[in-house]
Amino acid sequence: GDSVTQMEGPVTLSEEAFLTINCTYTATGYPSLFWYVQYPGEGLQLLLKATKADDKGSNKGFEATYRKETTSFHLEKGSVQVSDSAVYFCALRGTGANSKLTFGKGITLSVRP
Amino acid sequence: GAVVSQHPSRVICKSGTSVKIECRSLDFQATTMFWYRQFPKQSLMLMATSNEGSKATYEQGVEKDKFLINHASLTLSTLTVTSAHPEDSSFYICSAKPALVDNYGYTFGSGTRLTVV
Repeated sequence: GDSVTQMEGPVTLSEEAFLTINCTYTATGYPSLFWYVQYPGEGLQLLLKATKADDKGSNKGFEATYRKETTSFHLEKGSVQVSDSAVYFCALRGTGANSKLTFGKGITLSVRP
Repeated sequence: GAVVSQHPSRVICKSGTSVKIECRSLDFQATTMFWYRQFPKQSLMLMATSNEGSKATYEQGVEKDKFLINHASLTLSTLTVTSAHPEDSSFYICSAKPALVDNYGYTFGSGTRLTVV
């Protein structure tokens, strides 16, 4: 079945540091890939997405490129801010009209001033 | 943009009672809604998929008689935790898929923190 593997956390960075959060996936066919962010006590917000190979999703300075050859969708940001502190989930959605989302375990990012 | 309202955000109930959680799509119709459960510092576990006007599809290991899901309209799905026990305490989140436009991602509610005492 489909699966998503995220790097182990938590991650603690200083403000303005470079961020990379690794995500790899296993799926049949051509899934769509997502990064969601969850702030404390809240639901999930879609951060960015990519629906086909080589697509780059971007939002709020975050980027991720759909790499089919390496089955990866790593999240990057050039300069993190304290307000980026949250839990980040990588997810995939398989093909099919009502396909469910499969999530990675999530990783907690803490950015210190 | 698509907005999903989930209510209540927090609820405390006594053991043995039932609790209903509502998930509403405010500005779009949702043929399909998903219910998740999230344990502290863990990922989301899909509990069930509900389609408007039909029975929900439950994931393996989820008790359908304990977690009753109703999706009676295109804008409302409810999850009722029946005869709640302390081990049901968790964070429950719903998400909705728009009926007419598939933007590949689903919109999530803000979650419900259930505490059973």
